[in-house]
Amino acid sequence: QKEVEQDPGPLSVPEGAIVSLNCTYSNSAFQYFMWYRQYSRKGPELLMYTYSSGNKEDGRFTAQVDKSSKYISLFIRDSQPSDSATYLCAMAANTGKLIFGQGTTLQVKP
Amino acid sequence: DTAVSQTPKYLVTQMGNDKSIKCEQNLGHDTMYWYKQDSKKFLKIMFSYNNKELIINETVPNRFSPKSPDKAHLNLHINSLELGDSAVYFCASSLRQGEQYFGPGTRLTVT
Repeated sequence: QKEVEQDPGPLSVPEGAIVSLNCTYSNSAFQYFMWYRQYSRKGPELLMYTYSSGNKEDGRFTAQVDKSSKYISLFIRDSQPSDSATYLCAMAANTGKLIFGQGTTLQVKP
Repeated sequence: DTAVSQTPKYLVTQMGNDKSIKCEQNLGHDTMYWYKQDSKKFLKIMFSYNNKELIINETVPNRFSPKSPDKAHLNLHINSLELGDSAVYFCASSLRQGEQYFGPGTRLTVT
């Protein structure tokens, strides 16, 4: 079993839809939870960073962490075609080593 | 004013050759990393350096050797390249746990 599981998709939604992206994990030592966005042929860019259970909001993006269920989510409100990308969840314990999910490919259609 | 830069962007070479990829960051971060992203987009850490000291060394063939001349630079040298080494290699740097900034990647193709 992989430490971090993420459905690779692809996920296709119409413009304006609410998008929900999810990851599950098995390692209770994970303390830091991140979402990265990667456009085609580019490097991943940090989107959201949290280190506790609960919600964190940044503009149209909300990251949610549920440590008791070992489940994290990223919600995108009012999705735009420019949101079309691969979204990678990532987690770390105190070692500094990031473990990534496989990434979910999202397409937002105009 | 690129934060994390890598050279070259593309690298096409034959099996058996030796090649290097260079990385530089101007963010003042102490920690730098090398990642490999395979054809299925799975991103896996290879090495991490903190202030020129190796702190993470994953199960990577010893044909791969990282070198950090100073805390702003981390290079990756690969000996005797194999077909399976074809991938995109990303350099990253960080100031705190988990918050990593990635370079644009080097697309390596071994023929």
